[in-house]
This record gives sequence, C-alpha cells and structure tokens, in this order.
Amino acid sequence: RKEVEQDPGPFNVPEGATVAFNCTYSNSASQSFFWYRQDCRKEPKLLMSVYSSGNEDGRFTAQLNRASQYISLLIRDSKLSDSATYLCVVIPLPHNNDMRFGAGTRLTVKP
Amino acid sequence: EAGVTQFPSHSVIEKGQTVTLRCDPISGHDNLYWYRRVMGKEIKFLLHFVKESKQDESGMPNNRFLAERTGGTYSTLKVQPAELEDSGVYFCASSQGWRGPGYTDTQYFGPGTRLTVL
Repeated sequence: RKEVEQDPGPFNVPEGATVAFNCTYSNSASQSFFWYRQDCRKEPKLLMSVYSSGNEDGRFTAQLNRASQYISLLIRDSKLSDSATYLCVVIPLPHNNDMRFGAGTRLTVKP
Repeated sequence: EAGVTQFPSHSVIEKGQTVTLRCDPISGHDNLYWYRRVMGKEIKFLLHFVKESKQDESGMPNNRFLAERTGGTYSTLKVQPAELEDSGVYFCASSQGWRGPGYTDTQYFGPGTRLTVL
C-alpha cells in the first residue's frame, strides 16, 4: 500500500465550479499534512498546511480526519489559474521533516 | 530574498557516466532535502541534511548515489555510475528547521534538475 494515495483525476471543471480532492495516508502516527501545488514542469509550491480543526485560506478549505486517515482540499469558485496538479503531502514521523507525496491530482479549469 | 537554486537545470548523460547535481538552499536554512520524481511516479524522498549532517538517508536508492553538504551550505548529489532508471527530475528543498511549539516548518523547493540517462 502506498504511503499517500490520491485520486489522479484528471478533474476538468468549468470556471466558478467547486471541486474537492481527497487523499488517504497509511501511517496513523503521521504528524503534519500539507497541500502543495505543482504547475507543469515547475517545482512544488506550498498551498496550505492542514490542521486538525480544518482551515481555510480564501477560496481553499482543507480538512483532516485523523480517525479515517483522510485529508481533503476544497476549491470554491474555481479560476483558470487554479489549473495545476495538487499534491497531498504527509510527514509520517514525529521530530522528522521528511515528506511523503501522493502522486497528485490534475485539475484543469476551463472557461 | 533568493529562493532555492539548482544546477544544472537539465543534464543528458550516457549510461555509466557520472553526474553531479548542485543545490543552493535559501540562506540561513539549516535543513536541506533531496527528492526525485521518476516518470509516472510520485515525488520520493531521498535524504535530509541538518546543517552538514545527514539526518536521514533512508530514501537513497543504492550506493551509486552520494550526497554531501560540506560546511552546511550548498549540497551536491553525485550519481556514479548512472543507470537508465536514474532518469527523472531531482528536486532540492530547504527549510529553516524547528523553531518551537506551534511552528510549522515549511519546505521551499528549487526548480529541479531534469536528468536523462541514455
């Protein structure tokens, strides 16, 4: 079983749509969780950290369910510029920063 | 402030040759990480330096890979001899390091080196 699993998509949505991505992780001791965004042939960039209570940053909302080992990302009012691959990232070990990546979910927002 | 830089951006070599990749982290960042993405797969952790010390090298695929960070500044990753399956994008990332309770240490990635082994 992979450490971090994501639905690879692709998700093709119209502008203004709401889209949700899901991710599961295998190590129940995992401590930290993130969503990174990666544009084509570019490096991953941090979109947001994911906190236990859930957190929101503008149009983006992240949720964590530790009992189910499940992380989600919700994007509201999609923009063309949101088109990218979204990477679910987990740090599985305490006192350690080594990240484990999902394979990514590809999103295309169309006019 | 300059971000993480990597050199070269692309490298094409033949099987059996040696290649050395370089990463310059953000100034002042104690932590430096190497990751790679091979075709069709997820990004995978290779190793982690704290200053000049190897904190974790559990992701290094085999002894053909050697990473160094002399002086705790820039790092090099050498592949010798290169094999076809080493082709992929090698990313370097850096972070400040833990700063206390409630602090989330963010990793910033460089643009990557695209390695092609023929």
